[in-house]
Amino acid sequence: GQQVQQSPASLVLQEGENAELQCNFSSTATQLQWFYQRPGGSLVSLLYNPSGTKHTGRLTSTTVTKERRSSLHISSSQITDSGTYFCAMGQGGSAKLIFGEGTKLTVSS
Amino acid sequence: GGIITQTPKFLIGQEGQKLTLKCQQNFNHDTMYWYRQDSGKGLRLIYYSITENDLQKGDLSEGYDASREKKSSFSLTVTSAQKNEMAVFLCASSILGNYAEQFFGPGTRLTVL
Repeated sequence: GQQVQQSPASLVLQEGENAELQCNFSSTATQLQWFYQRPGGSLVSLLYNPSGTKHTGRLTSTTVTKERRSSLHISSSQITDSGTYFCAMGQGGSAKLIFGEGTKLTVSS
Repeated sequence: GGIITQTPKFLIGQEGQKLTLKCQQNFNHDTMYWYRQDSGKGLRLIYYSITENDLQKGDLSEGYDASREKKSSFSLTVTSAQKNEMAVFLCASSILGNYAEQFFGPGTRLTVL
């Protein structure tokens, strides 16, 4: 079936460093969404980016549909960025999202 | 803007018990979803409802029933709670369409004794 692989599984950074999170999927995606989850919290939609490059604040997502991959770049990371980042993909003809297992980001001072 | 409300926030039941989780949204979205998140894992789709009178099974529907009472509400029933179903259940909604961004509620944490 469809699969979504996220890497790395975990990432530890010093405050101010940049983070690069990767998402690879097994079939062509027509939907691609990045989410953030604080421990014990709900999912917050960060970016909806099925193709191309999108920015919001310190976040940049680049999705290359033909290569079945998406990335999330977090610039100048802050302690409050700590949490788990999920990538989810969907295919045309379906409203379903398939989620990756997440990247756990820890930012320390 | 809008919000998604899930009740209860914490649900404790006995093994074999039938339990119901509720979700309400005021986005006026057509499509609603139920996901399950096991500890430290990603989300898996249980049921979704494209429009008010629709019900579709996801990859994890066995052991669950769902009901779309009206456009704004979507309920999930655990038909016979098992200990290996302890998880957080998340409700989401989106506009109608295959390319729609999904928005999530705060979740219901299920504990089975």
